[in-house]
Amino acid sequence: QSALTQPASVSGSPGQSITISCTGTNSDIGGNKYVSWYQQHPGKAPKFLIYDVSNRPSGVSNRFSGSKSGNTASLTISGLQAEDEADYYCSSYRRSGTLVFGTGTKVTVL
Amino acid sequence: EVQLLESGGGLVQPGGSLRLSCAASGFSFSDYAMSWVRQTPGKGLEWVSGIRGSGGDTYYADSVKGRFTISRDNSKNMLYLHMNSLRGEDTATYYCAKDWCSGLCSYFDYWGQGTLVTVSS
Repeated sequence: QSALTQPASVSGSPGQSITISCTGTNSDIGGNKYVSWYQQHPGKAPKFLIYDVSNRPSGVSNRFSGSKSGNTASLTISGLQAEDEADYYCSSYRRSGTLVFGTGTKVTVL
Repeated sequence: EVQLLESGGGLVQPGGSLRLSCAASGFSFSDYAMSWVRQTPGKGLEWVSGIRGSGGDTYYADSVKGRFTISRDNSKNMLYLHMNSLRGEDTATYYCAKDWCSGLCSYFDYWGQGTLVTVSS
């Protein structure tokens, strides 16, 4: 059950925008709308950021936005802030109630 | 306030068994699907297993199918993961996670702090 592919690291300066990609297959990202994103700070549990490709749960900053094209989903963080430095994971429904996560991306704020 | 508290982790030999527990509070437990998600030290997340609110449907990652069993006791607001035939690659921090929506949407809005399982001789 191979993981979705994310870049190992992405960096940007405060105020800039960055985009994290998440590549899967027709069996997961390309085959449904159930894509989500999580943020994880060191030593903490993940935080729910995005659901259904591009929707934000209540309380999540509108600086976080999601999109999808074909088998690739993307998370964009605009107006990058120091507190955004964390690991980010995508996930997608795969089949028969199963779920797959991405490999994770470390975001560094320069 | 939603709280999820895992317990039961520890050191176990290859081939051994362990039962993880997750005590839930602060929400109507039986209304929500729950999952176990693990994270290897310094590495990424892996979904392990999920169970619907009623407990009637269960789901497993291929890597644990046939070795792990998820269950829940809605009268006690408890989630369990029974792990058999443990392997070194099962070494990880195991999180219990609450589904964001009632039903089964596999979006997790609350997570426990995790319990560490180490499989080693």
